[in-house]
Amino acid sequence: QKEVEQDPGPLSVPEGAIVSLNCTYSNSAFQYFMWYRQYSRKGPELLMYTYSSGNKEDGRFTAQVDKSSKYISLFIRDSQPSDSATYLCAPISGGYNKLIFGAGTRLAVHP
Amino acid sequence: KAGVTQTPRYLIKTRGQQVTLSCSPISGHRSVSWYQQTPGQGLQFLFEYFSETQRNKGNFPGRFSGRQFSNSRSEMNVSTLELGDSALYLCASSLGDKGGQETQYFGPGTRLLVL
Repeated sequence: QKEVEQDPGPLSVPEGAIVSLNCTYSNSAFQYFMWYRQYSRKGPELLMYTYSSGNKEDGRFTAQVDKSSKYISLFIRDSQPSDSATYLCAPISGGYNKLIFGAGTRLAVHP
Repeated sequence: KAGVTQTPRYLIKTRGQQVTLSCSPISGHRSVSWYQQTPGQGLQFLFEYFSETQRNKGNFPGRFSGRQFSNSRSEMNVSTLELGDSALYLCASSLGDKGGQETQYFGPGTRLLVL
């Protein structure tokens, strides 16, 4: 079993939709949870991160962590075609700066 | 502030050769991590350097090695290349002063093709 599971999609939604992206993880020691966005042929770009359980909002993006169920979510409101990318969840392992990436979910927002 | 830069951006090598990739972190960042990205395995951690010392290592064979210089720039080397080493190699930098629990910023990657 992988440490981080993420549905690779693809997920196709119309412009303006609310998008929900999710990951599950197995290691209860994870405390920091990152979300990265990766456009085709580019490096991952940090979207936001959360520490422990709870919500964090940044503009149209909301990250949620539920440590009791080991579930990570990213919500995108009013999705735009420019949001079309692969979204990667990545908890940090206890070791120095070791990100454990999910497979990434490919999102397509069509006009 | 300039972002993370990686050189070269593209590389073609043949089996058995070796390759060296370079990464310049964001100014002021002292930690550099390396990742391999392939369609089958996704993004996998290779190793992390801080102040010229390797602090963490992933599950890759010894053919994969790295080093960091006093100016925080880092190189990774892959010896005796195999077809399966074809991948996008990404480096990420961070300040490095929070015990490894900190945000990392990625470069554009070096795309390596092994023939």
